[in-house]
Amino acid sequence: DIVMTQTPLSLSVTPGQPASISCKSSQSLLHSDGKTYLFWYLQRPGQPPQLLIYEVSNRFSGVPDRFSGSGSGTDFTLKISRVEAEDVGVYYCMQSIQLPPYTFGQGTKLEIK
Amino acid sequence: EVQLLGSGGGLVQPGGSLRLSCAASGFTFSGYAMNWVRQAPGKGLEWVSSISASGGTTYYADSVKGRFTIARDNSEKTLYLQMRSLRVEDTAVYFCAKDLRVVSSGYFDSWGQGTLVTVSS
Repeated sequence: DIVMTQTPLSLSVTPGQPASISCKSSQSLLHSDGKTYLFWYLQRPGQPPQLLIYEVSNRFSGVPDRFSGSGSGTDFTLKISRVEAEDVGVYYCMQSIQLPPYTFGQGTKLEIK
Repeated sequence: EVQLLGSGGGLVQPGGSLRLSCAASGFTFSGYAMNWVRQAPGKGLEWVSSISASGGTTYYADSVKGRFTIARDNSEKTLYLQMRSLRVEDTAVYFCAKDLRVVSSGYFDSWGQGTLVTVSS
């Protein structure tokens, strides 16, 4: 199975400041079709997860442009340019190049200072 | 608006069975793959199972293979997860999630609110 490792596991950010989360996979997520199957999901408190980013850097419909994704191969980053109160929650990276199973990172809990 | 309404959770003894349902509305159910993802109390997300739009292709996590069965009724717009031989470690909130494609691909664009399964004696 592909192991997804996120760092940090928690971070506390002042509103208006940037935040960055790293995700590393144990195998390359670059498929022969040229796409890289790395996703970012946000789970707000008490809510189901929601799709933020697909294929490393594509924002899903309705996701604010303060969210951006980057990376390639096995190293990926989610950045929030200016954190807002509504960004609180747990962020998960997930790979789907290999099925089964899809695998998630451990999650990174974002709190507001 | 896409809606996924999960039901069927509850308290069950180890070794028991339970069937979860996820009623879909607001989209052409038969056109998309569907998935189950679970979350144990205070823990992270774990993919459980996926089924293609037609129902012809299914996948399972090793932790549930042979015990859980995913199915769908496209005429009733409902996704199912039949769970047998339940273990304490199956205790979790189970989310159904719609995929963006006909075959499961990881693009979970809509999620249900989740239904809690508790396995305990």
